[in-house]
Amino acid sequence: DIQMTQSPSAMSASVGDRVTITCRASQGISNYLAWFQQKPGKVPKRLIYASSSLRSGVPSRFSGSGSGTEFTLTISSLQPEDFATYYCLQYNSYPRTFGQGTKLEIK
Amino acid sequence: EVQLLESGGGLVQPGGSLRLSCAASGFIFSSYAINWVRQAPGKGLEWVSVISGSGSTTYYADSVKGRFTISRDNSKNTLYLQMNSLRAEDTAVYYCAGENFLNWGQGTLVTVSS
Repeated sequence: DIQMTQSPSAMSASVGDRVTITCRASQGISNYLAWFQQKPGKVPKRLIYASSSLRSGVPSRFSGSGSGTEFTLTISSLQPEDFATYYCLQYNSYPRTFGQGTKLEIK
Repeated sequence: EVQLLESGGGLVQPGGSLRLSCAASGFIFSSYAINWVRQAPGKGLEWVSVISGSGSTTYYADSVKGRFTISRDNSKNTLYLQMNSLRAEDTAVYYCAGENFLNWGQGTLVTVSS
């Protein structure tokens, strides 16, 4: 099974900050990587698929990059509504595996 | 508009069984695989299972293999998850999610406790 290691597990940042979250796969997954945002009590929302393709309607301050085993989610300028938990997911092979999550909190 | 609506959650004793349903609308149900994903209270997301559009192919997480069975009725646009031999660690909100995880239901809570 492919393990997804996400870092950091939690971080605090301020509005306007640039933030980067990393996901590392235990073996190569090409670009079969998605990023999700989840707010408390809400359903996860897919932000990015195929490592870097932004979902329609997602603000352009979100971007994704990477291929193989190293992936990043970047938020270029944090907005108040971005404080949430973020998860990566590999869909290269079964079983699908999520990262453990990154909780992004307000500093 | 794509809609997924789970039902069937509730309180069940350890060792018991429960069947979850996911009613789908707004797309050609039989053309797409559907996933089950769960989230234990205060924990992260865990992929559980997937079934192909035809129902002929299924995959499971190791944590549920042999205890859970995914199935679908394409005539009813409904997905199922039969959960047997339930354990306390199966307590979670269970979501059905579309093939590419773009669309999710609202989730149904399963609590395994005596």
